[in-house]
Amino acid sequence: EIVMTQSPATLSVSPGERATLSCRASQSVSSNLAWYQQKPGQAPRLLIYGASTRATGIPARFSGSGSGTEFTLTISSLQSEDFAVYYCQQYNNWPRTFGPGTKVDIK
Amino acid sequence: QVQLQESGPGLVKPSETLSLTCTVSGGSISSYYWSWIRQPAGKGLEWIGRIYTSGSTNYNPSLKSRVTMSVDTSKNQFSLKLSSVTAADTAVYYCARGATTFDYWGQGTLVTVSS
Repeated sequence: EIVMTQSPATLSVSPGERATLSCRASQSVSSNLAWYQQKPGQAPRLLIYGASTRATGIPARFSGSGSGTEFTLTISSLQSEDFAVYYCQQYNNWPRTFGPGTKVDIK
Repeated sequence: QVQLQESGPGLVKPSETLSLTCTVSGGSISSYYWSWIRQPAGKGLEWIGRIYTSGSTNYNPSLKSRVTMSVDTSKNQFSLKLSSVTAADTAVYYCARGATTFDYWGQGTLVTVSS
């Protein structure tokens, strides 16, 4: 099973600032990496797939990069609605696995 | 707009079988993969398995011996059964569309395992 790790566990950011979240895979997942946003009491929402392609309706301030084992999600200018937990997920291998999440909270 | 809705008992006794159904509306269940994912309170996401509308399945090895998924295309539904549950199976259970990425999710249903 591919183990996904994320850092930091918590990221405190002021509105309007840039946030950079990291995700690492225990072995290469090529570009088969997705990012999700989850707010309290809600289901996760797909943000990014293919490591860098925004899902339908996702604002351009969200961008993804990386390949192999190292990935980054960048939120260019945090809006109030962006404070949430972010998960990465690999779909290169079975079983599909998620990272433990990064919580982005208000500084 | 595709919508998914989980249904089933919110309380299951230890050693019994958890049974959930996901009803898909706003689109056909056919020709898509469908997954179950769970999340214990305050914790991360665990993929349980997926089913195609042909009935083919793929389960997480950590749960494989206890999981059964099925699909009923006539009702636009798919289902999850998890046997021999323990307190460790207490979680919010989500149904979702996809087997690679998950683009539509149900709202989730809390299942508590307790006597």
